[in-house]
Amino acid sequence: GAVVSQHPSWVICKSGTSVKIECRSLDFQATTMFWYRQFPKQSLMLMATSNEGSKATYEQGVEKDKFLINHASLTLSTLTVTSAHPEDSSFYICSARGLAEPLHLYEQYFGPGTRLTVT
Amino acid sequence: KNQVEQSPQSLIILEGKNCTLQCNYTVSPFSNLRWYKQDTGRGPVSLTIMTFSENTKSNGRYTATLDADTKQSSLHITASQLSDSASYICVVSAGGGATNKLIFGTGTLLAVQP
Repeated sequence: GAVVSQHPSWVICKSGTSVKIECRSLDFQATTMFWYRQFPKQSLMLMATSNEGSKATYEQGVEKDKFLINHASLTLSTLTVTSAHPEDSSFYICSARGLAEPLHLYEQYFGPGTRLTVT
Repeated sequence: KNQVEQSPQSLIILEGKNCTLQCNYTVSPFSNLRWYKQDTGRGPVSLTIMTFSENTKSNGRYTATLDADTKQSSLHITASQLSDSASYICVVSAGGGATNKLIFGTGTLLAVQP
């Protein structure tokens, strides 16, 4: 159980275009979803946290107008990279958190990631 | 400042050998400590989760330890296999309940050679 999927798994887009990445919790309801980016040989960096039905909270230095996050349902969150540039090329990973027992664990389940290449 | 440090940065071992990865953290308030395995080009997969009161937890050939007094954790891999080649990330959860935040270490890149 607790599977998180991402689509697409990899995408190539031209500079200036927008690309949307989907994150789905397949067998549980995700009250909170997180978006991370990871550059080669570096650890995951949290970009934003989104709660279902409310606006996302962005980490310092992350442009909210460039990285649009929508968490419209308890099983789906989307990240749209607008006007993409080559420096946006990265590995984007989402994670989803639902209610779990014991409550203090609140396990996060990670998706398989999406490789974005902007040419 | 909440911080998680891992050592070594990278490690090469021969198939069948054991190895131990280290994690030191300064995170407050501490909620739990997790070890993840991340294969190249994939998302992290949870190996173990330990709360403050747990000092060892096993998952197959993986055994994690936690010393909450010294704020250190280790991940021991027994009888390594080629498929163990991956990045191992120590992650500490700060805070509690719905407001907890994950603090990621930079990972140890393990290469298991035949």
